[in-house]
Amino acid sequence: GAVVSQHPSRVICKSGTSVKIECRSLDFQATTMFWYRQFPKQSLMLMATSNEGSKATYEQGVEKDKFLINHASLTLSTLTVTSAHPEDSSFYICSGTGGRDEQFFGPGTRLTVL
Amino acid sequence: GQNIDQPTEMTATEGAIVQINCTYQTSGFNGLFWYQQHAGEAPTFLSYNVLDGLEEKGRFSSFLSRSKGYSYLLLKELQMKDSASYLCAVSDSNYQLIWGAGTKLIIKP
Repeated sequence: GAVVSQHPSRVICKSGTSVKIECRSLDFQATTMFWYRQFPKQSLMLMATSNEGSKATYEQGVEKDKFLINHASLTLSTLTVTSAHPEDSSFYICSGTGGRDEQFFGPGTRLTVL
Repeated sequence: GQNIDQPTEMTATEGAIVQINCTYQTSGFNGLFWYQQHAGEAPTFLSYNVLDGLEEKGRFSSFLSRSKGYSYLLLKELQMKDSASYLCAVSDSNYQLIWGAGTKLIIKP
């Protein structure tokens, strides 16, 4: 199957700082990328959907000014958590699709905000 | 390398039972997840196994054998709404999720 990578895999930061998470499709062109949050043993909560070259579409309740998403190319999307706070600590997962129904998921990034 | 294998597609009949297998080879093991995903929707958590054995939750059960690197998801009394993709994911030694490609389950009347 297609491969999606995320970087970093783990990040610890101080409250008030910004953190950028990269999501890359390694062997396919991801026309659409999705960003999720996952809480322990719970379903993935969709935060936003981004199409290459256009603005992301955010789910209700997700602050677009706090979670900045950039999908500048067909292989890279970034999520920047601005002015992070402890409640933003979570496991962030991205996925990509090349236009078919199938989604390919990244390994996740564990964010801890102190 | 790390690898998760599950069948690409399965077909079953409404009212029947189906078992979806997942085998894995990962660096470390911190649990195995099963998710259900309907087309166009976010994956829904079904189960989490970290110890060997069978966990039953209504019509769905999940089994794990760590020594064999094997899990299965058992769906009973199949309903048409169970038509979906079923994703197996393993949390490795770094708590990174290694995802299977998903099994597309087609339910026929």
